[in-house]
Amino acid sequence: DTAVSQTPKYLVTQMGNDKSIKCEQNLGHDTMYWYKQDSKKFLKIMFSYNNKELIINETVPNRFSPKSPDKAHLNLHINSLELGDSAVYFCASSRGQGGPGELFFGEGSRLTVL
Amino acid sequence: AQSVTQLGSHVSVSEGALVLLRCNYSSSVPPYLFWYVQYPNQGLQLLLKYTSAATLVKGINGFEAEFKKSETSFHLTKPSAHMSDAAEYFCAVSGPTGNQFYFGTGTSLTVIP
Repeated sequence: DTAVSQTPKYLVTQMGNDKSIKCEQNLGHDTMYWYKQDSKKFLKIMFSYNNKELIINETVPNRFSPKSPDKAHLNLHINSLELGDSAVYFCASSRGQGGPGELFFGEGSRLTVL
Repeated sequence: AQSVTQLGSHVSVSEGALVLLRCNYSSSVPPYLFWYVQYPNQGLQLLLKYTSAATLVKGINGFEAEFKKSETSFHLTKPSAHMSDAAEYFCAVSGPTGNQFYFGTGTSLTVIP
């Protein structure tokens, strides 16, 4: 069983469209994250949820809206897609507070905006 | 606040040679430190982590890293590079809360046959 799974793996869409990426973890972790990896491989934290509550919200356009229906799921919805949104988006989870648990990553969702 | 700096965005080594990837950290509290590897078109996978126990940490695939507080470093080494080691390597730091992770900019390792 995949520990952190995200779907879809690839998205190709036009500017202005809306898209969602889903993430699920079966590790029993309390904290989930979205990271964005650009073409230079830089990894940037976007959001973090702990037990369904938002704890990290970096400077991300409000076109990006995370939703956590339960602690095992963290979805990412993106409105009005722009060319600069093209990237690989990684979902990750960790056991949360009380460290030093590591991050477990999904395989990534490659978004291409045309 | 925590941060890490990876020196050298690209490192090339010959097959069988020593691999040395550099990471320096900045932290106002005792850090937890990690090395991750990313193979092409894959997610990140943990190589090893330092959690304030032994300063020399052994990881998977023959990699190890040494925590040096005096140098604020956590360099990754492998005695003998293999072609399959070619990948992107990331150093990361987290603080005591355990739910904030900060990544370096990555080092791309090329192994020359």
